[in-house]
Amino acid sequence: SQTIHQWPATLVQPVGSPLSLECTVEGTSNPNLYWYRQAAGRGLQLLFYSVGIGQISSEVPQNLSASRPQDRQFILSSKKLLLSDSGFYLCAWTHAGLAGYNNEQFFGPGTRLTVL
Amino acid sequence: AQKITQTQPGMFVQEKEAVTLDCTYDTSDPSYGLFWYKQPSSGEMIFLIYQGSYDQQNATEGRYSLNFQKARKSANLVISASQLGDSAMYFCAMNPHRGSTLGRLYFGRGTQLTVWP
Repeated sequence: SQTIHQWPATLVQPVGSPLSLECTVEGTSNPNLYWYRQAAGRGLQLLFYSVGIGQISSEVPQNLSASRPQDRQFILSSKKLLLSDSGFYLCAWTHAGLAGYNNEQFFGPGTRLTVL
Repeated sequence: AQKITQTQPGMFVQEKEAVTLDCTYDTSDPSYGLFWYKQPSSGEMIFLIYQGSYDQQNATEGRYSLNFQKARKSANLVISASQLGDSAMYFCAMNPHRGSTLGRLYFGRGTQLTVWP
């Protein structure tokens, strides 16, 4: 069975510090991978998605970046955090290719980031 | 541009009663998928139900059913026999590229459901 992991689970960082959040998927190959951010009491905003190693697409301009160094690893980074980067970060995956009628996304447990 | 609208920021329902959570969507894509996710206070996103734009029948999954009205572009979630554990945030989402390699989802802002005894 497939599983998705995220770490750390919670993080408190000062403004201006770097960030690295990691997401890994097990039990599948060549997944599509996604990073979402959820501000308090809000819906999910897609930040990045990737359809393969080294292939990253950005949805919104920001001081965050993403990388996919391995097939099932997705990393969210920042060189200098802003207060507005606080939120709940969710990684998700879905089957690549023509997924048929149910292209369900499977979500990780999330990382709660607080920037002070 | 694709858009998902959930007009109910909060809903209250008594235990064992049914509740309907509203969702409307806007897309020019003829092929799309509609999803509902549940997010309890722990933050995890739990997939509940899926409806394809070409599906003839409304989707059902246990106590969850999706009232799909394509002409009105609505995809309301119906929860029957509510339980205290149903208290959570509920998100409606759309994949406007069903069958593509992208699979991305557009989410509404959510409805906070509270079930009281």
